[in-house]
Amino acid sequence: AQSVSQHNHHVILSEAASLELGCNYSYGGTVNLFWYVQYPGQHLQLLLKYFSGDPLVKGIKGFEAEFIKSKFSFNLRKPSVQWSDTAEYFCAVNERTGGFKTIFGAGTRLFVKA
Amino acid sequence: GAGVSQSPSNKVTEKGKDVELRCDPISGHTALYWYRQSLGQGLEFLIYFQGNSAPDKSGLPSDRFSAERTGGSVSTLTIQRTQQEDSAVYLCASSRGTGTAGELFFGEGSRLTVL
Repeated sequence: AQSVSQHNHHVILSEAASLELGCNYSYGGTVNLFWYVQYPGQHLQLLLKYFSGDPLVKGIKGFEAEFIKSKFSFNLRKPSVQWSDTAEYFCAVNERTGGFKTIFGAGTRLFVKA
Repeated sequence: GAGVSQSPSNKVTEKGKDVELRCDPISGHTALYWYRQSLGQGLEFLIYFQGNSAPDKSGLPSDRFSAERTGGSVSTLTIQRTQQEDSAVYLCASSRGTGTAGELFFGEGSRLTVL
């Protein structure tokens, strides 16, 4: 079955620390990959996306993610987190031949200490 | 409208009652999704509509759950004979379905509490 796994459910970091959130998926075909973010009290919004081309994609607020096809991974990174990055982060995948049905991971709650 | 609109934003109901949750997608978006967000459970896929195709209902947890989309626009998620485990935030999202390859735009959600 199609699935998306996020390795960490809760992450606590101090400001200026580096961040890496893991995401692995199990899909057989060509995929599109996304990271969404939900800030406290707000609705989900897109952070970044990969469709094709350069596997290192840049998103808003200094986030980036790298697609490694051989590892079925799409890890999210940020070199230096800020208190305002406190949020829940969701990895999501859809399969181009599957009509773009999008499956999400369980989410990672990030808390950044000021 | 400017964004995905969901109503009601909050619903408190008694166990055994039926509830209807409504979603107005972004105009022109052909794809519409329903997800359920429970504490510690992430986003659980429920159902997906794409244009005039038959919906993908593979995520509906039981036959108490159903959804329809009228005229390719507004969608209603119905939960019959609600149970306490149905308490969650129900999220609706829409997308263009092509081109942007399914980038989703979410509504604010409908928080359901079953007493």
